[in-house]
Amino acid sequence: SQQGEEDPQALSIQEGENATMNCSYKTSINNLQWYRQNSGRGLVHLILIRSNEREKHSGRLRVTLDTSKKSSSLLITASRAADTASYFCATDAWNTGFQKLVFGTGTRLLVSP
Amino acid sequence: EAGVVQSPRYKIIEKKQPVAFWCNPISGHNTLYWYLQNLGQGPELLIRYENEEAVDDSQLPKDRFSAERLKGVDSTLKIQPAELGDSAVYLCASSQGAEAFFGQGTRLTVV
Repeated sequence: SQQGEEDPQALSIQEGENATMNCSYKTSINNLQWYRQNSGRGLVHLILIRSNEREKHSGRLRVTLDTSKKSSSLLITASRAADTASYFCATDAWNTGFQKLVFGTGTRLLVSP
Repeated sequence: EAGVVQSPRYKIIEKKQPVAFWCNPISGHNTLYWYLQNLGQGPELLIRYENEEAVDDSQLPKDRFSAERLKGVDSTLKIQPAELGDSAVYLCASSQGAEAFFGQGTRLTVV
């Protein structure tokens, strides 16, 4: 079962523009992570934001978290063609003392040169 | 440092045949996950191991799927017998903390 839902499902932009993806989830979390997946490849971890944090930056990435609304957003600034990929949010809810990482449905980002 | 290694990368089998996937996690990672990913969807957890113990297998269809993690290192996921609906990418991941590291996945096609 999917915990989160990303919005939009697909996003097409031009190089240099910013891309914003949103994630909504259902249950209380310890942290929320964003992953990228290039076509035919495994997932790569991008950034983690803890439940007591509201915003976090990493290079061209900016993540926000609103636990009251159970939502997060990922902003990629000054996008590049190489950013073309699917982006997934994943919530981390400790269950029985162990980490349980549950993924959303993903946003497919296409950045055109 | 080697990442998570999965084999085979691709597998085509006829329905009702058995199939097995192998995963070698990153050295020292106690947590190992198997996920199933359908086309255009996010990964869905099948089973999670802490060392050799399966701590969450609630999403594993136990009538046809089985998994093991010998000595808390390598893991094997098996399907017997395979059905057409099992066609998907099977991802293995490991972690020693919050961040999970994924293998390239095994793309299974059942014909």
